[in-house]
Formats: sequence, structure tokens, C-alpha cells
Amino acid sequence: TQLLEQSPQFLSIQEGENLTVYCNSSSVFSSLQWYRQEPGEGPVLLVTVVTGGEVKKLKRLTFQFGDARKDSSLHITAAQPGDTGLYLCAGVAGANNLFFGTGTRLTVIP
Amino acid sequence: ETGVTQTPRHLVMGMTNKKSLKCEQHLGHNAMYWYKQSAKKPLELMFVYNFKEQTENNSVPSRFSPECPNSSHLFLHLHTLQPEDSALYLCASSQNTGRGYTFGSGTRLTVV
Repeated sequence: TQLLEQSPQFLSIQEGENLTVYCNSSSVFSSLQWYRQEPGEGPVLLVTVVTGGEVKKLKRLTFQFGDARKDSSLHITAAQPGDTGLYLCAGVAGANNLFFGTGTRLTVIP
Repeated sequence: ETGVTQTPRHLVMGMTNKKSLKCEQHLGHNAMYWYKQSAKKPLELMFVYNFKEQTENNSVPSRFSPECPNSSHLFLHLHTLQPEDSALYLCASSQNTGRGYTFGSGTRLTVV
């Protein structure tokens, strides 16, 4: 099992603020994915990053894969209440299996 | 419509019961997965099927028995479960292993 630690575990911010979520591991991953999960639903894929140092933007969300492919970050600009949810990073390793991080629960207060 | 449908959405069962969870995907994917999501723990990979063949059994107790009759359907048969097995059971599919997953909405299982 590959351990992926996310920080912070919980985050509560006001609408319009910026935030960054971190995903760290001692293992190297061939790619890394970010998901968002809302209550009562399964996780939904947001992005996949493959190359070390890669940066991808999805509207107000910016994802970065670390140069060594061991860590990643998710930055949200001007957070909205609709961004509320559980954010999960997941790394691909071994026999192409996906290992999930510990999760960051974000609450954006209107 | 997520493309991956899980039934039932909620299930309460006694420790002596036998029940089955069902997952169906309409995406033409080749790989299907069962994950367990418990409070305060990361999603745990349970089983992987690739082209209907089981390629991963992540040390799951034998009281959980998967079945994949074809590449579109996946079952998880449950028997003599324990209260600590109560969790959200998520099914997912992907085009190939290692690609982005599409998850179902999950089955919330409570063992009493």
C-alpha cells in the first residue's frame, strides 16, 4: 500500500478566499489524480497529472505535480460554496492500481 | 447519470445474512473495482477486475466474495459480516487500469 498524506485534513474558509491543499508521499507515482466527493456520492475525477512539474488549470483550480512525482498540490482561487466537498488525491503505482490519499474536507462559507 | 450504477443505495443487514451489491457500467470500460470507504480512513482498494479477470485481491476477508460475469457487471457477495464492515462500498470503472476512474454513488452498508 502506498501512503498518501493530505493536509490539511479539514479546512473551513470564507467565500472568495484562496486555499491550497497538499498531497505528499515517499513513493513515486506514474501519475496522480485529484477527485472531489460530495456527501452521498462517489468521487468525481477532476484532473490527471502525469509529468513531473506539470501544472494544469481547471477554471479556478490549479493542480501541480511535484518534480519528483511524489507530491502534488491543489490551489483554489476565490473559493465558492460550490467548491465544498472532500478532495482526494490518488496516485497510480505498482500494477497500475490507484491508491487514495487521506482526504481534505473543505467547507466554503457564503 | 454517472455511467456507473450501484444498487442498492442503502443496505442494513444482520451478521448472519447473505446479501449482494451490484454494480453496472455503461461506459465500455475494461476494468472494474470495489473500494471500501470508512470514516477517517482512506479509500481502501478491495478487488480489481481487468477484462473480467480478477487481477487484485487486496487481502480482503473471505466473507467478501466478488463476481464479474462480464465487463459491464460486478457483484460483491456478502455473508457473515461484522459490524466493523459497515462502510460505504464504492464501485468504479476505467478504460484501463491506471486511468481516470468513474465511480458509482456507492452502497451505504450497515451491519447490525
